[in-house]
This record gives sequence, C-alpha cells and structure tokens, in this order.
Amino acid sequence: KQEVTQIPAALSVPEGENLVLNCSFTDSAIYNLQWFRQDPGKGLTSLLLIQSSQREQTSGRLNASLDKSSGRSTLYIAASQPGDSATYLCAGHTGANSKLTFGKGITLSVRP
Amino acid sequence: KAGVTQTPRYLIKTRGQQVTLSCSPISGHRSVSWYQQTPGQGLQFLFEYFSETQRNKGNFPGRFSGRQFSNSRSEMNVSTLELGDSALYLCASRSWTSGITDTQYFGPGTRLTVL
Repeated sequence: KQEVTQIPAALSVPEGENLVLNCSFTDSAIYNLQWFRQDPGKGLTSLLLIQSSQREQTSGRLNASLDKSSGRSTLYIAASQPGDSATYLCAGHTGANSKLTFGKGITLSVRP
Repeated sequence: KAGVTQTPRYLIKTRGQQVTLSCSPISGHRSVSWYQQTPGQGLQFLFEYFSETQRNKGNFPGRFSGRQFSNSRSEMNVSTLELGDSALYLCASRSWTSGITDTQYFGPGTRLTVL
C-alpha cells in the first residue's frame, strides 16, 4: 500500500529565498508523481507531473525531481514570492488504476 | 478550454438527508475521479469513472455512490448524511489518451457542511 509523507507540515521563509519541499513515498513501483498547489478553500492546481521514466521536470521557477530508488521527490522553488504562499501537495500514482495517493501537504508562507 | 466545473460550490445539509454533487470534466476528457478532503484525513480517493463504468473504488461506505453519463459528466451521491461527511469534495478529470499517466486536473470543489 502506497504511503506518501510530506515533512514539515508548515514552512515560513522570507521573500527571495530558494526553497525545497520534500515528498517521500513507500512504494517505488510508482507510475508518476504529481505536485499540486492549493490555495485556502480552493481546488488543486497541477504544477508538475513527473513520469516514472523521468528524473525531473521544470516550469518557470519550479523544478521537481523524482528518485524512485530512494522513494523521494522534491519541489524546488526559486526566488520565492509572497504569491507562492499556499499548500503544496504531492501525489503518487501506483498500480494499474487511477487512484492518486496524496501526502498531507506543506503549507508555505513567504514573508514580504 | 474551460476547466473542470463543479456544482454547487457550497451546500448545507442536515443529518440523514442525501445530496448529489455534479462534475463536468474538461472537454474531451473521458475519466472522472472523485476525492474527499478533510483536515484530519487529507485527500482520499472515492472512485473513478471511465466511459460510464466505475473503474476503481476507494474505502468508503456504500452510502457514497456515483455515476457517469455518456457526455462524461459525473454525479456523486451521498445518502443518509453524517456529520463526518462534512468535507470539500473534489472532482478531477483526465483525457486517458496515455492511460493512467495523464495529468489529472481538479475542479474548485464542493464544500459540503452537514449540521
């Protein structure tokens, strides 16, 4: 059974800092891993999807990596801005079904 | 392209009632999944529909059911509501052109409050 963990649960950084959000998973037989952003009371916005055959994906100031052997994924945010404040969730796809297994998320606060 | 839409956005019900939530996927997407989000449990998978058939189901009681129509729109029904059913219900769609490896796109959710 896949379990996804995100630690810490909350993070506060000053504006302009580069930061890394961590995600770990227990089952390395993962098809892909997806990072989402959620603003308070809102739905999920897909940020990056990394297939199992890929090592990383980039979009603007975001870079996500996937290391299946160690069961880890990271989301790197460059030059953080107050608008980046949100909860970031990672979710893994395992097995021949469409179920995404989510971590509990990391609530990021970027201070001006 | 319009995104995933969910209606209604907010609902208040009382215990014992039933509720139906609706989800319209992105045009061309054939798969619709439903998730429940609560502060304690986080996001949990309810079920997925593809071509009007339920493909997969999470660990929820039979009070939670769903269906998908020929135009890929989906509805979720919860009968005999309990206080613990208060949650944000999220719908996600994907195209299925590459199977399960496609990106899932989420709607804004329906906030259900059970009194």
